[in-house]
Amino acid sequence: DAGVTQSPTHLIKTRGQHVTLRCSPISGHKSVSWYQQVLGQGPQFIFQYYEKEERGRGNFPDRFSARQFPNYSSELNVNALLLGDSALYLCASSLGLAETQYFGPGTRLLVL
Amino acid sequence: GQQLNQSPQSMFIQEGEDVSMNCTSSSIFNTWLWYKQDPGEGPVLLIALYKAGELTSNGRLTAQFGITRKDSFLNISASIPSDVGIYFCAGAPSGGYQKVTFGTGTKLQVIP
Repeated sequence: DAGVTQSPTHLIKTRGQHVTLRCSPISGHKSVSWYQQVLGQGPQFIFQYYEKEERGRGNFPDRFSARQFPNYSSELNVNALLLGDSALYLCASSLGLAETQYFGPGTRLLVL
Repeated sequence: GQQLNQSPQSMFIQEGEDVSMNCTSSSIFNTWLWYKQDPGEGPVLLIALYKAGELTSNGRLTAQFGITRKDSFLNISASIPSDVGIYFCAGAPSGGYQKVTFGTGTKLQVIP
């Protein structure tokens, strides 16, 4: 079975631009979580979605938004990019809210 | 954002040696998790702990959920070269995987 997939793998944007990152969960998984991992730090929780509804939000500005589609895939959107948004963005999927999360390889975003 | 305190930050050990690392928090968690992350990949779950005082093993790895629910420990016995990587602790306030907070990471290098 395929694991969690994320696209694109790498992305370069300039300040002020908008970016959309995509995540496909493991087949049968209904929950998707997004994390930001700045170089040298641990992942920071951004959002969790379950059955297409937001079930948790971390301490990130409103420039960050996400949604989950009927097929349980998810998008993370970041508006008005800042240099500090440069990071590895990780997606994790799980069967439900209380089940083990499995991480994808991440999308590495560089903001110039 | 909040990150759990992990120590040591990095360590060099000889192959065959045992390794200990710990993680502390100012908040109580009801779930403690230990992950390993290799370069260019997402974190992989090693051990999950759900009960204060719980001691759980996974092969050469053993982790404990602290009695105060504010700390956790990971031990690796008889280290091998493939143990190289960054180890993260993580905690969740609920009994599952919601709003997971990660530690700062311990970078392990094994000298053959």
